[in-house]
Amino acid sequence: DIVMTQSPHSLAVSLGERATINCKSSQNILFSSNNKNYLAWYQQRPGQPPKLLISWASTRESGVPDRFSGSGSATDFTLTISSLQADDVAVYYCQQYYNSPHSFGQGTKLEIK
Amino acid sequence: EVQLVESGGGLVQPGGSLRLSCAASGFTFSNYWVNWVRQPPGRGLVWVSRINTDGSSTTYADSVKGRFTISRDNSKHTLHLHMKSLRADDTAVYYCVTQEAPGRDGYNPFDFWGQGTLVTVSP
Repeated sequence: DIVMTQSPHSLAVSLGERATINCKSSQNILFSSNNKNYLAWYQQRPGQPPKLLISWASTRESGVPDRFSGSGSATDFTLTISSLQADDVAVYYCQQYYNSPHSFGQGTKLEIK
Repeated sequence: EVQLVESGGGLVQPGGSLRLSCAASGFTFSNYWVNWVRQPPGRGLVWVSRINTDGSSTTYADSVKGRFTISRDNSKHTLHLHMKSLRADDTAVYYCVTQEAPGRDGYNPFDFWGQGTLVTVSP
């Protein structure tokens, strides 16, 4: 099974500042035939179910603010929030869907400093 | 509007059984794979099981294999998870989650999540 490892476990950032969350997969999740990375990012606000933010490592879902961006390839990925808003307080999870089971990272808790 | 509404959670004793349901609306249910993902209290997300569009193929996490059974009724737009031989470490919120059926590019991400139903396994 592919193991997803996120860092840091928690993060405190001031409003308006940049937040960066990393995700590393134990295997390459870039499919060479279509050049797609099978990596998603989810946001889970307190008391809410997770919500898909980004798929294919860098494609924002409809309605997701453009301050959220995803980058990376193969085994190393990053979720960046360019200017933190109060609404962004949440736990963020990465997930690979390259292989079954579609494993999740352990989550990164993002708070306001 | 896509809606997934889970039900059936509650308190059950170790060794007991429970059946979870998920009622889907607002999309063509029969076109989607559906998953159960659980989240123990204060912990992260763990994939549990998946069923394909017509129910002919199912997959389970090793931790629940032989104890949980996933099924679907496309005519009623519902998904079920029958859980038996429940253990304390099955305690979690269980989410019903859709996944577009695989295409030329293979698997797709999990797109819509229900609000979840809490299962507590305790004496």
